[in-house]
Amino acid sequence: GEDVEQSLFLSVREGDSSVINCTYTDSSSTYLYWYKQEPGAGLQLLTYIFSNMDMKQDQRLTVLLNKKDKHLSLRIADTQTGDSAIYFCAESNTNAGKSTFGDGTTLTVKP
Amino acid sequence: NAGVTQTPKFQVLKTGQSMTLQCAQDMNHNSMYWYRQDPGMGLRLIYYSASEGTTDKGEVPNGYNVSRLNKREFSLRLESAAPSQTSVYFCASKNRGHYEQYFGPGTRLTVT
Repeated sequence: GEDVEQSLFLSVREGDSSVINCTYTDSSSTYLYWYKQEPGAGLQLLTYIFSNMDMKQDQRLTVLLNKKDKHLSLRIADTQTGDSAIYFCAESNTNAGKSTFGDGTTLTVKP
Repeated sequence: NAGVTQTPKFQVLKTGQSMTLQCAQDMNHNSMYWYRQDPGMGLRLIYYSASEGTTDKGEVPNGYNVSRLNKREFSLRLESAAPSQTSVYFCASKNRGHYEQYFGPGTRLTVT
């Protein structure tokens, strides 16, 4: 079945850039997502990218997709303490169907 | 709009007890999902309902049943709770033609 993998932890200093990486196995993945989960809350969609795109930028967020290597990354510029959270990578290959989630990367931002 | 609501927020059960987790959405979404999240792990899909009147098994359906009562409501039932079902349960909904799943705040379930 589909598998999505992420490193578990990342620690950065406030003001630095953060890069969270993800790999996936399903070559038919059509949509790739980044979700953010703050303590005690549900997941919130941060951004998504279609498999026919290489890059998407949205304010401080940049998503890079290497479809050949099945590698997805999320870069957060000028990381703030409010960015401390768990970030989940997810993929789906249908619009109406289910997504497969990675185990999440816990981002800690130190002042 | 309240979005996706879940009840209860917290629950403690003894092994063998049953309970139903409730989920409702007011966004007129077609698809609804139940996930469980265990410490240090991502979300694993238990069941989903692509549209009113249909339900399908996800990755970890054993020990659970679901009911898509109407377009708004999707409930998850544990018939005989086991300690392995201690987890945080999230309900989500999504509309066809859109990409974002909207998540509820979660139900924290402990089975002793």
